[in-house]
Amino acid sequence: QVQLVQSGAEVMKPGASVKISCKASGYTFSSYYVHWVRQAPGQGLEWMGVIHPNGIGTFYAQKFQGRVTLTRDTSSTTVYMELSSLESEDTAIYSCTRETPRTSYFEHWGQGTLVTVSS
Amino acid sequence: QSALTQPASVSGSPGQSITISCTGTSRDVGSYNLVSWYHQLPDKAPKLLIYEVSERPSGISNRFSGSKSGNTASLTISGLQAEDEGDYYCCSFAGSGTYVFGTGTRVTAL
Repeated sequence: QVQLVQSGAEVMKPGASVKISCKASGYTFSSYYVHWVRQAPGQGLEWMGVIHPNGIGTFYAQKFQGRVTLTRDTSSTTVYMELSSLESEDTAIYSCTRETPRTSYFEHWGQGTLVTVSS
Repeated sequence: QSALTQPASVSGSPGQSITISCTGTSRDVGSYNLVSWYHQLPDKAPKLLIYEVSERPSGISNRFSGSKSGNTASLTISGLQAEDEGDYYCCSFAGSGTYVFGTGTRVTAL
């Protein structure tokens, strides 16, 4: 079955960078897009970006341009999300989710990774 | 890329129908029939309810239906049940490979 398993919770200092992993299994890794969505405590869902694991490219929300980087390792079927220049407002649960190409919906989600930014 | 606008809360009695609106712009909702809807329970991942404005994935009750007019998409829940409580989010393709979520709506069955 399709599984997206994310790395564990992180506590970071302001100004630092965090890198979260999302290991995919149960499907052909290169055939599906992987998106990242975050949710601050008590807040709504916020789309951050998408990576096409077949190497076509990445797209980011304007808000995160220059601060977020999505990469993938096809040998380990893992997608990574790195967010830099962390601020307290970046405290949130970060989740990866899979999209069947050109369907524009998200059916499978990772368990979420809590990132806490605190001095 | 501003969030799509949803009402903060909607409530109804069990058995009633409720509708949640999702208002965007001509750059997102108005330009693409790529609106999806999700139901989220506390500390759980969102669950897909509707895709491509009005399509239901297998296993989703036909009590959930979607529509769109202009820059506004809507989700209707017919025969509201206690299990339908939770947060609902719309999401739209916004061009250039990007997406935008709605602000979220808390549904309560009175």
